[in-house]
Amino acid sequence: GIQVEQSPPDLILQEGANSTLRCNFSDSVNNLQWFHQNPWGQLINLFYIPSGTKQNGRLSATTVATERYSLLYISSSQTTDSGVYFCAVERDSGTYKYIFGTGTRLKVLA
Amino acid sequence: EPEVTQTPSHQVTQMGQEVILRCVPISNHLYFYWYRQILGQKVEFLVSFYNNEISEKSEIFDDQFSVERPDGSNFTLKIRSTKLEDSAMYFCASNPIVGGLAYNEQFFGPGTRLTVL
Repeated sequence: GIQVEQSPPDLILQEGANSTLRCNFSDSVNNLQWFHQNPWGQLINLFYIPSGTKQNGRLSATTVATERYSLLYISSSQTTDSGVYFCAVERDSGTYKYIFGTGTRLKVLA
Repeated sequence: EPEVTQTPSHQVTQMGQEVILRCVPISNHLYFYWYRQILGQKVEFLVSFYNNEISEKSEIFDDQFSVERPDGSNFTLKIRSTKLEDSAMYFCASNPIVGGLAYNEQFFGPGTRLTVL
């Protein structure tokens, strides 16, 4: 099956710093989403981004489907950005299930 | 904005007991899913459900698990005889499948944390 790897696995930043999180996938995909898992365990949908670039406030994401990767940019990080970031991809499985990546655990220090 | 809801938020049960986790997907969505996340690990697909039947299930989804859409709004996951290793966060999700394969944004509920003692 498809492999979804995220890097780095762990990241510690000072408040105000910028960061780039990467998601590599081993095969072509139809769809891709980025999620933030908050300290309560909830999955917050950040971006639905099968291709191209999107921005939402301090966050933006780019997916280059032909090269099998996606990037999540966090600018001017805040302590509330702490948590785990997951990318998830969907191939043409017929049931549209998502396969999640390994996650990047981010800690932003005040 | 419509959202997926799940109840309860936290369930504690004794090993061997049956549990039912409940979800209310977004009303005009057609595909429904359950995913599981063991503490500290990644989210794993359990089962997908479409047109009132299971469309795909993972190897995790054995005979102890079942899903049901008992009415027009609820979607449930039942674990018949819970084991310690069933302790996890369980997420329900749904999507509308707009335009066939062209659009598939999944919307996740807040999760139910299941603790098996």
